[in-house]
Parts: sequence; C-alpha cells; structure tokens
Amino acid sequence: TQLLEQSPQFLSIQEGENLTVYCNSSSVFSSLQWYRQEPGEGPVLLVTVVTGGEVKKLKRLTFQFGDARKDSSLHITAAQPGDTGLYLCARGGGADGLTFGKGTHLIIQP
Amino acid sequence: DTGVSQNPRHKITKRGQNVTFRCDPISEHNRLYWYRQTLGQGPEFLTYFQNEAQLEKSRLLSDRFSAERPKGSFSTLEIQRTEQGDSAMYLCASKVAWDTEAFFGQGTRLTVV
Repeated sequence: TQLLEQSPQFLSIQEGENLTVYCNSSSVFSSLQWYRQEPGEGPVLLVTVVTGGEVKKLKRLTFQFGDARKDSSLHITAAQPGDTGLYLCARGGGADGLTFGKGTHLIIQP
Repeated sequence: DTGVSQNPRHKITKRGQNVTFRCDPISEHNRLYWYRQTLGQGPEFLTYFQNEAQLEKSRLLSDRFSAERPKGSFSTLEIQRTEQGDSAMYLCASKVAWDTEAFFGQGTRLTVV
C-alpha cells in the first residue's frame, strides 16, 4: 500500500518552463526524501527535508516541506532535457526501509 | 566503482524456473535492503539485513522468495517457481546507519515469460 500520493503522475513540458510536483500524505513525516530515477537505473537521492517549513535549494530545484510535515513540493525552474526522469518522494529511513510514492514521470522536450 | 553493484542487470526466465540475483553493497555498509519496482510504481520494500541478520520482511515476500547475506557482505535474492507477476525491477540499496543516505544499485530487470 502506497501511503504517499504524488501528483501529477505524468508531466510533459517544453524546455525552459517551470514546474512543480507534489507529494502528500495524511500522516506526519519525521523526514521526507526526494529521489530521481532514470530509466534502467536505481533511484538517486536529491534531498532530505526534516523540519516543517524547510526549504532547500539544489541548483534549479527547490524543495519545500510543509509546515505540518504532511506534504512536500519540488519546483524546477527553467527545466532542461536533462531533468527528464521519474521523481519519487519517500518517507522513513528507519530499519524497515523507505516507503515510496508512485512518482511523477517528467519529460522535458527540447 | 565503489557503488552498489547488482548482477545480472537483466534476466529472462521461463515461468516455473528458479532465479537468483546478487547484490554487492558499498563496502562497510552494514545495512542492506531489497526493493521491487513494477512498471508505473515506486519501489516497494521487500526485506532488510543488518550485517548477516535478516531483520525485516515485507508481506510482499512470499514463501517463494528467499534472501540471504551469509557473511554480512553481498546478498542474494532467490525466487523459486517464478510466475509472470514476478516480472519487475529488483533493486538493492545499502547504507551505513539508519539515519544515513541509502545508495541504490542499478537493479536487476526480471522478465518471466
């Protein structure tokens, strides 16, 4: 059972546009992680957010953790074809492993 | 390459056959995880080892699945009597401690025909 809901499920935009994807849950997270996965590869960690209201920036990517620690967003500015991939949010990190959302499939068209 | 290594990268097998996958974690990472990812889904947790001890098993891990980590280093995941529903990407991840980053391998893509 996936406890994390990600939206949109699919997103295709033109190079240079901005976009935001979301990760929501009815439960409070102690921490939340964002991963990016390319076809045929394993997920790669982008960021971990821990504190409610926290904002982290990674070049053109901005990650925000909701005040109530139940939701998070990823905003990409001036998207590039290299940003294409599956963006996954995940909670946990304890002994019993991570729980992932279904992901947002992002395609950036040149 | 000091990352997590998985072999084989691809496996095609006939229904009913047994298959075994191998994961070599990053050296000195005592925690090792197996996940399964089907098309259109995020990875789903299967099982977890701390050193050689298997500490957690998901309900997804039926009795046809078995995982080992005999010396606390590499791990194997065996699926007996494969079924078409077993077709998926099987991912391995390792980490140093519970609150550190998990590093994933490239996965083994299993196709059961």
